[in-house]
Amino acid sequence: DADVTQTPRNRITKTGKRIMLECSQTKGHDRMYWYRQDPGLGLRLIYYSFDVKDINKGEISDGYSVSRQAQAKFSLSLESAIPNQTALYFCATSDTRTGRTNYGYTFGSGTRLTVV
Amino acid sequence: AQTVTQSQPEMSVQEAETVTLSCTYDTSESDYYLFWYKQPPSRQMILVIRQEAYKQQNATENRFSVNFQKAAKSFSLKISDSQLGDAAMYFCAYRSPQGGSEKLVFGKGTKLTVNP
Repeated sequence: DADVTQTPRNRITKTGKRIMLECSQTKGHDRMYWYRQDPGLGLRLIYYSFDVKDINKGEISDGYSVSRQAQAKFSLSLESAIPNQTALYFCATSDTRTGRTNYGYTFGSGTRLTVV
Repeated sequence: AQTVTQSQPEMSVQEAETVTLSCTYDTSESDYYLFWYKQPPSRQMILVIRQEAYKQQNATENRFSVNFQKAAKSFSLKISDSQLGDAAMYFCAYRSPQGGSEKLVFGKGTKLTVNP
């Protein structure tokens, strides 16, 4: 099983619909992140969580919300999807408790979301 | 805020040749970490190599090496003996040390094509 699992892998939804993207990890990492990837723009941070009670906005949080249901689970919601939210979404984790920030992030395999 | 710039949207290389991907960054921090990630068509984000800013020695991982120029804030990736499997998007990323923002900041990516 993958260390960081994202569901669904692909999703097509209609404008105005509410949609949730889910992420779970088995690595025991304390921090979790949601990024969005658009062609030519790289990956941009939407939200991040240091632990269950600590949620922070990233650079492009408008139109999104998140929930850290447990240390291992971090979901991203689009309350009312719009076409410019069509993108590839990545969940990632990192472990800072042991000072291992030099080890970068572990990424899920991404969710490709299309809003029509 | 830190920024990462990849000035080459696309690069190509002949199989077995060497190619260098450029990355520059802007920061006022003296300690930080730098990464190169590879994203093949499978879209998985794969860590290629990492560099700790306090280390003067350039990191190497098999055919992959970096040229880290701290004063110039430059972090280029050299791929030697290029293989068809090296074809991918490559992202340069910056991370602050523990106690700082600790978020990964990405460049916009370079698409590498390997010609047989």
